[in-house]
Amino acid sequence: DGGITQSPKYLFRKEGQNVTLSCEQNLNHDAMYWYRQDPGQGLRLIYYSQIVNDFQKGDIAEGYSVSREKKESFPLTVTSAQKNPTAFYLCASRSYRQPPYEQYFGPGTRLTVT
Amino acid sequence: GIQVEQSPPDLILQEGANSTLRCNFSDSVNNLQWFHQNPWGQLINLFYIPSGTKQNGRLSATTVATERYSLLYISSSQTTDSGVYFCAVVGAAGGTSYGKLTFGQGTILTVHP
Repeated sequence: DGGITQSPKYLFRKEGQNVTLSCEQNLNHDAMYWYRQDPGQGLRLIYYSQIVNDFQKGDIAEGYSVSREKKESFPLTVTSAQKNPTAFYLCASRSYRQPPYEQYFGPGTRLTVT
Repeated sequence: GIQVEQSPPDLILQEGANSTLRCNFSDSVNNLQWFHQNPWGQLINLFYIPSGTKQNGRLSATTVATERYSLLYISSSQTTDSGVYFCAVVGAAGGTSYGKLTFGQGTILTVHP
């Protein structure tokens, strides 16, 4: 089955700790994205990557870091510098080399920091 | 950056009713997608529709790119249609936008039996 997996589904952390969220895809997509969703809001872009070993900041990158060492994987680290880390995090991917060009989303990780 | 506005913000229907959701955007777009977010948070792709009209069962969508809006039609609504519907676009301005989606605030649809 082709798709995007995110783990864990729920994550609880104490303030001041870094935490890494996993995102894996087996769709052979080149581009991968991380979005954040707060209650009652739309999604906002954190980071994106068009190709292995390259990534760019999105609209709300402060307090986050990413890596793209493999085409299939795009982990997101929420650092202690992120002021309001409690949110729902969604990973997405898409092909830009051939159609369909639409973005597909994983099931998300709910992060709670206390 | 590009702005996306969805209306109405909330919609309550009886099962069997029809509805129209609207998405207005402030600039030219390369991509427009409609999503349904289910109660567990999963975003389900409904349509990839930067222009024209598409239909999939009880759902259909129309994007009029020159007038900067898109409509999502839901006919004979069912309780399982409940959830949040998002419109998201990739702006065409400024050259390559790397597929970055800008989301509207969503329409919360509640369908009562």
